[in-house]
Amino acid sequence: GAVVSQHPSWVICKSGTSVKIECRSLDFQATTMFWYRQFPKQSLMLMATSNEGSKATYEQGVEKDKFLINHASLTLSTLTVTSAHPEDSSFYICSASGLAGGPVYNEQFFGPGTRLTVL
Amino acid sequence: AQSVTQLGSHVSVSEGALVLLRCNYSSSVPPYLFWYVQYPNQGLQLLLKYTSAATLVKGINGFEAEFKKSETSFHLTKPSAHMSDAAEYFCAVSTGTASKLTFGTGTRLQVTL
Repeated sequence: GAVVSQHPSWVICKSGTSVKIECRSLDFQATTMFWYRQFPKQSLMLMATSNEGSKATYEQGVEKDKFLINHASLTLSTLTVTSAHPEDSSFYICSASGLAGGPVYNEQFFGPGTRLTVL
Repeated sequence: AQSVTQLGSHVSVSEGALVLLRCNYSSSVPPYLFWYVQYPNQGLQLLLKYTSAATLVKGINGFEAEFKKSETSFHLTKPSAHMSDAAEYFCAVSTGTASKLTFGTGTRLQVTL
């Protein structure tokens, strides 16, 4: 099956610093990647949708200047949390879907998640 | 707009008993429906999906779900629970299989001896 990885799996940082999270499709080309965040014991909330080579589309209420998303290649998308604060502490999960008509187009594949703790 | 309601944030069953996790959806267009499982500190794994073909969908690990348009429901069932089924389960709706997902609030399944 299609595999999506995330790095790092967990990160602790000081308030005010920036943190970059990588999402990679290991064995397929991902034209679309989604970024979700999940607070403890809560559901996943979509933050943004990114298509390779174009600007991300952010959901209402998500600050695009705070959560920078880059999808520069068909196998890599990054989420940068700028000037992180304790309220940004969360579990961030990405998912990816492949090229239209390809074997992994018809489904989203999820990464294992990244736990961010901001002190 | 689409939404999903999962009834029961926590369900407890005995090992070997029937598992029933409820999901109702709202969608202005024909929906695509999904059930995912999440183990602690992990991402989501797809159990099964409804894509407008057969209304009874069979998934992995013995789970299945039935799409009932008249009831706007997509409940997840498993005839016999196993200890390894203990996890968080999410129902989700989308306008397409590779489109953004709207998740329910999740149901934590506990399996007891």
